Amino acid sequence: LAKTTQPISMDSYEGQEVNITCSHNNIATNDYITWYQQFPSQGPRFIIQGYKTKVTNEVASLFIPADRKSSTLSLPRVSLSDTAVYYCLVGDTGNQFYFGTGTSLTVIP
Amino acid sequence: NAGVTQTPKFQVLKTGQSMTLQCAQDMNHNSMYWYRQDPGMGLRLIYYSASEGTTDKGEVPNGYNVSRLNKREFSLRLESAAPSQTSVYFCASSETIAGGTHFGPGTRLTVL
Repeated sequence: LAKTTQPISMDSYEGQEVNITCSHNNIATNDYITWYQQFPSQGPRFIIQGYKTKVTNEVASLFIPADRKSSTLSLPRVSLSDTAVYYCLVGDTGNQFYFGTGTSLTVIP
Repeated sequence: NAGVTQTPKFQVLKTGQSMTLQCAQDMNHNSMYWYRQDPGMGLRLIYYSASEGTTDKGEVPNGYNVSRLNKREFSLRLESAAPSQTSVYFCASSETIAGGTHFGPGTRLTVL
């Protein structure tokens, strides 16, 4: 299982773009990268997923360099409601289980 | 479409008591999971079921048993609860890697 490393916490002002980087040096050929968001007292929520290069949806963008040993979740113009814990997971269809401790993002007014 | 539902939402047990946490999903997913989350920690996988009729241990299976009753339902049983099992328990389901994993609202369990 490919383990991941993320910053423990980050602060950002409202309206700024936030980039959270995840390291996954042991990523395997079949592994995908998935990001989840978790608010207090709730279960995690799927944000975005990718395999290589760049993926964008209505919520975020995911940048994956050619060597795939890291990935960056980009949240455009964050608001107070984006304050949450963000988890990066790596694995293939059958084994994307390891959540780690995630990155606690605090958005400041 | 309710997604993933869990019962109960809250439970208090005494050491040594047993209980079953129920989970159901209405998305026709093949895979289902049970996680626990301790305060300030990430989620840890207890057991998972890749398909109906199969179950496998995750990272922290000791003290738990599971049953994949049918495609919709996946229960978690604590045979003899211990204070170390005080946690929030999340059930989840997934179909393909593309859609990610869908989580239930959680069960907050306290063992005294």
